[in-house]
Amino acid sequence: DAGVIQSPRHEVTEMGQEVTLRCKPISGHNSLFWYRQTMMRGLELLIYFNNNVPIDDSGMPEDRFSAKMPNASFSTLKIQPSEPRDSAVYFCASRPGTVRTEAFFGQGTRLTVV
Amino acid sequence: AQSVTQPDIHITVSEGASLELRCNYSYGATPYLFWYVQSPGQGLQLLLKYFSGDTLVQGIKGFEAEFKRSQSSFNLRKPSVHWSDAAEYFCAVGGVSGGSYIPTFGRGTSLIVHP
Repeated sequence: DAGVIQSPRHEVTEMGQEVTLRCKPISGHNSLFWYRQTMMRGLELLIYFNNNVPIDDSGMPEDRFSAKMPNASFSTLKIQPSEPRDSAVYFCASRPGTVRTEAFFGQGTRLTVV
Repeated sequence: AQSVTQPDIHITVSEGASLELRCNYSYGATPYLFWYVQSPGQGLQLLLKYFSGDTLVQGIKGFEAEFKRSQSSFNLRKPSVHWSDAAEYFCAVGGVSGGSYIPTFGRGTSLIVHP
């Protein structure tokens, strides 16, 4: 199993540009999480999907952020327009349907907005 | 709401010494508890987890953790640290809601290992 796959690994963009981060969860997992990691705030949950449906998006910082999961094998996190304060490492994680299991993390996307 | 506190931002130990990383959680019922490790530039890897049963949990790489309900703690231990253990360690709590849970992470503890 290839694990959770995120792309790109690194992204540098200019302020105001649209950024799209991608995630392919582990096959068979039906829960998916997007987290943001910064020095100031640590690991924050942005949004949680279950069976492709957004369950909890209370962590999405503002309307500039949006996330989709069109099918069980793909999710995107979009920032439009991007700002320097969005610079962070964004992690995607997935988990099987059973409750008593852990979440498996991708290697993250390091986003730098200049 | 659930929360996790890792009181130590940095811990420095000598190679071969024992290690204990502290984790306190806040949750109204029996939580699911996890320790993850993050090496530089990498994602989070699970070290161990507690769902129920024996309160002393064994994990990978020689780590163990003990769930103490009375202290709301889930401290991570290792009897002898290796230089390769230098990394960031995260404690997480999962509160169950609607048949599922969402992991909430602490701020992490950075482990520095001196030769």
